[in-house]
Amino acid sequence: ETGVTQSPTHLIKTRGQQVTLRCSSQSGHNTVSWYQQALGQGPQFIFQYYREEENGRGNFPPRFSGLQFPNYSSELNVNALELDDSALYLCASSSGPLIRDPWSGELFFGEGSRLTVL
Amino acid sequence: GQNIDQPTEMTATEGAIVQINCTYQTSGFNGLFWYQQHAGEAPTFLSYNVLDGLEDKGRFSSFLSRSKGYSYLLLKELQMKDSASYLCAPPHSGAGSYQLTFGKGTKLSVIP
Repeated sequence: ETGVTQSPTHLIKTRGQQVTLRCSSQSGHNTVSWYQQALGQGPQFIFQYYREEENGRGNFPPRFSGLQFPNYSSELNVNALELDDSALYLCASSSGPLIRDPWSGELFFGEGSRLTVL
Repeated sequence: GQNIDQPTEMTATEGAIVQINCTYQTSGFNGLFWYQQHAGEAPTFLSYNVLDGLEDKGRFSSFLSRSKGYSYLLLKELQMKDSASYLCAPPHSGAGSYQLTFGKGTKLSVIP
C-alpha cells in the first residue's frame, strides 16, 4: 500500500463527454504527477503539480487539465473525450520535484483509474 | 524525446539470471530509475542509479553509464513472482523541470 488513493477505479464515458479523476497523495508529499498508460505501453507523463502550481507538462493537448488543492490532493480533468483517451490514468505522489531532490524520483503510485471511452 | 529503448519481451527460467538492457537519450539529469509493474497493478520503485556503476540490492542490481546513455537491470535467482514488466525511467527535462519518463517496458516471463 502506497497511501495514494484514486477514484473512481473504473468508469465508462462516451465521446465528447468530460471526466474528472481524483487523487489523494501520500501523507507528507507535496507533489503529484499524472500519467496515462495505454494497454501494453509504459506510463506517459501528462503533468505534475507542486504546491498547487503546474510544474511541467508532457505532450498532451489543453483539454487535459489539472488542479492541486491546499491538502495536496489533485484532480485530472479531460474535456471532449476521444476514443484514444481510453487508458489507465495513474497518479503518483512524491516528496518534491526532481530538480529539488533527485531522490523524489521514487514515485508512489495509486492503483489507477481505468477510463473507457465509447 | 527520450528515445528509450528496451526489449519488449524476455523469458527466463526460475532460478536463472536475466539482464534487461535500456538505452536512452541523455538529458542534464544525472540518474536513472527502474520500476516494476505486475499485470493489472501500478508501478513500484525498484532502484535509482545516481552515479555510474553497479548498484547492488541483493537479488536486483542496476547498472548505469551516463555518458553512454545505457543502463541494465540484473535479476538473480529468478522467482515466479518476478514475472512482470520492468520499466526503465530516465528523467527528462522540460519547462524548467525534470520529470520521470518511462519506456514501454520489458515484459519478463519466468517459467518453471
